[in-house]
Amino acid sequence: EAGVAQSPRYKIIEKRQSVAFWCNPISGHATLYWYQQILGQGPKLLIQFQNNGVVDDSQLPKDRFSAERLKGVDSTLKIQPAKLEDSAVYLCASRTRQNSPLHFGNGTRLTVT
Amino acid sequence: AQKVTQAQTEISVVEKEDVTLDCVYETRDTTYYLFWYKQPPSGELVFLIRRNSFDEQNEISGRYSWNFQKSTSSFNFTITASQVVDSAVYFCALSDPMDSNYQLIWGAGTKLIIKP
Repeated sequence: EAGVAQSPRYKIIEKRQSVAFWCNPISGHATLYWYQQILGQGPKLLIQFQNNGVVDDSQLPKDRFSAERLKGVDSTLKIQPAKLEDSAVYLCASRTRQNSPLHFGNGTRLTVT
Repeated sequence: AQKVTQAQTEISVVEKEDVTLDCVYETRDTTYYLFWYKQPPSGELVFLIRRNSFDEQNEISGRYSWNFQKSTSSFNFTITASQVVDSAVYFCALSDPMDSNYQLIWGAGTKLIIKP
């Protein structure tokens, strides 16, 4: 089966600019996650979707981050405006059901200068 | 509170040595899942194993083995006859049974360096 697809692979922007990341989960996976991983740390959950509904966005900095999952398949994560501390790898993951393993994409490495 | 501790920040061994990565967890519940993931330099997180809290049998998969001990709240990972390709960051994670969203609680990761 095809894995979780993410794009772009790398992105460099200046602070205060905007950026968007795209994720296509594994077919049939209802649950989709966006994680932020800062160098040297474990993944930090930003937002969790179940189909096209938001399950948990308690750790999403909503003043600058937004995410959507229209039609319950693809998802986009946007940052506007970006700050230096947003430099990180943004990982998308999906799973079929509760407690099943998460399947991750390759991530997008964002550098904010 | 639920917590996962990976006390070893970085481990460096010479190829063919055996190496054990430690994982200690805290949870109040009796039902939970534990996971190990590998993150090679390319960046993707690769699922290695999931263990149910009711199954304390040790697991072996090729050169990889896992030792689950509920008495010490540990789920350690051993690589036998390590290879350079094993170099990666390894994460241990706990599925929070108190969380209806079944989110994962992650350790900080252990960076494993295998020197040729």
